[in-house]
Amino acid sequence: EAGVVQSPRYKIIEKKQPVAFWCNPISGHNTLYWYRQNLGQGPELLIRYENEEAVDDSQLPKDRFSAERLKGVDSTLKIQPAELGDSAVYLCASTLDWGKKDTQYFGPGTRLTVL
Amino acid sequence: QKEVEQNSGPLSVPEGAIASLNCTYSDRVSQSFFWYRQYSGKSPELIMSIYSNGDKEDGRFTAQLNKASQYVSLLIRDSQPSDSATYLCAVNKVDSSYKLIFGSGTRLLVRP
Repeated sequence: EAGVVQSPRYKIIEKKQPVAFWCNPISGHNTLYWYRQNLGQGPELLIRYENEEAVDDSQLPKDRFSAERLKGVDSTLKIQPAELGDSAVYLCASTLDWGKKDTQYFGPGTRLTVL
Repeated sequence: QKEVEQNSGPLSVPEGAIASLNCTYSDRVSQSFFWYRQYSGKSPELIMSIYSNGDKEDGRFTAQLNKASQYVSLLIRDSQPSDSATYLCAVNKVDSSYKLIFGSGTRLLVRP
């Protein structure tokens, strides 16, 4: 079974440019998460989807960040415009169904560098 | 105060020793607790989960939970150089989101 797929793996952009990250969760996993992990820190949740519905986006900086999961499968996270402080690893994770005991499977992440 | 706190380390132990990693959390009603291992440049990988007070063993790993004292620990027996990684403690926040709150991680170095 394929794991969570993310692309690109690395992205270098100049500040004020837009950037987009793509995630394809494990087949059949209804819940999808986007996390941001800064150097030396643990992942922090940005947004959680149940199928195509964003059920928790309280941590998403909505002035510049947006996300979508139109068909309840793959998802895109966008930043426009990017700022220097957005440099981080963006992780996508999925679970079969949300609940306190379900394992979250993480993708390899996208390392973003904003110059 | 951070919701989930870990000593950043590095914790250095010789090969074959027991490595003990600790984590405290602030939300007293948290219900689910996880240990993730993260190798440098890689994504987190779940190695243990624990939901009830006491110990839970899986191979060389033992997770310990004490809800009264609000701490969870991970013991790694017979530590191997391949265990060298950052270990992230995660706690399931008990509200409508059921989101995981991660600590900053403890870096473990196992010396050959």
